[in-house]
Amino acid sequence: AAGVIQSPRHLIKEKRETATLKCYPIPRHDTVYWYQQGPGQDPQFLISFYEKMQSDKGSIPDRFSAQQFSDYHSELNMSSLELGDSALYFCASSCLFAGMGEQFFGPGTRLTVL
Amino acid sequence: AQTVTQSQPEMSVQEAETVTLSCTYDTSESDYYLFWYKQPPSRQMILVIRQEAYKQQNATENRFSVNFQKAAKSFSLKISDSQLGDAAMYFCAYTAETSGSRLTFGEGTQLTVNP
Repeated sequence: AAGVIQSPRHLIKEKRETATLKCYPIPRHDTVYWYQQGPGQDPQFLISFYEKMQSDKGSIPDRFSAQQFSDYHSELNMSSLELGDSALYFCASSCLFAGMGEQFFGPGTRLTVL
Repeated sequence: AQTVTQSQPEMSVQEAETVTLSCTYDTSESDYYLFWYKQPPSRQMILVIRQEAYKQQNATENRFSVNFQKAAKSFSLKISDSQLGDAAMYFCAYTAETSGSRLTFGEGTQLTVNP
């Protein structure tokens, strides 16, 4: 079965640089979620999109922005990177008819900011 | 705001034995969903089991079962016949439609399985 795809899997950036993370949801899934998991921490919700519209916003810094495109893939854009942005970034997708809250996670993108 | 608490940062169990991981949550909602996710060293988030709040029957998935106590806002995970492959970080998570369907996670419990 198709799973959530995230690219790149690993990313190394310098402070103050920008990064773009991509997420390709499971086919026919209409909702995408982004989570940030710092070292030794639980995942924290950043933002979500339903049918290409932002549906919910969590603790996402103003330096970050995201969008969902017509083919349902989503991108998380991160600017002016800081050391504290080093984390594992998960994308998850769900379908309204798959049951409330059942989110399927991608393998994550490990971002390292030097 | 909804909160999820896992009071056991670490747990260990002998292979083939049973272990219970604890989770409590706080919410004013009556309709919500609870989950246990497993995160092995690969860091992949794997759904283990889910429970709908309106269902009184405890969910079961093979060796994994939950004890859902709605009044006490408790949601524990029991792993029977523990296997070496069960070793992982386990996260309890909550979601409700009123919270935008975002998942709120507990701090996690690191489970070690001893041979």
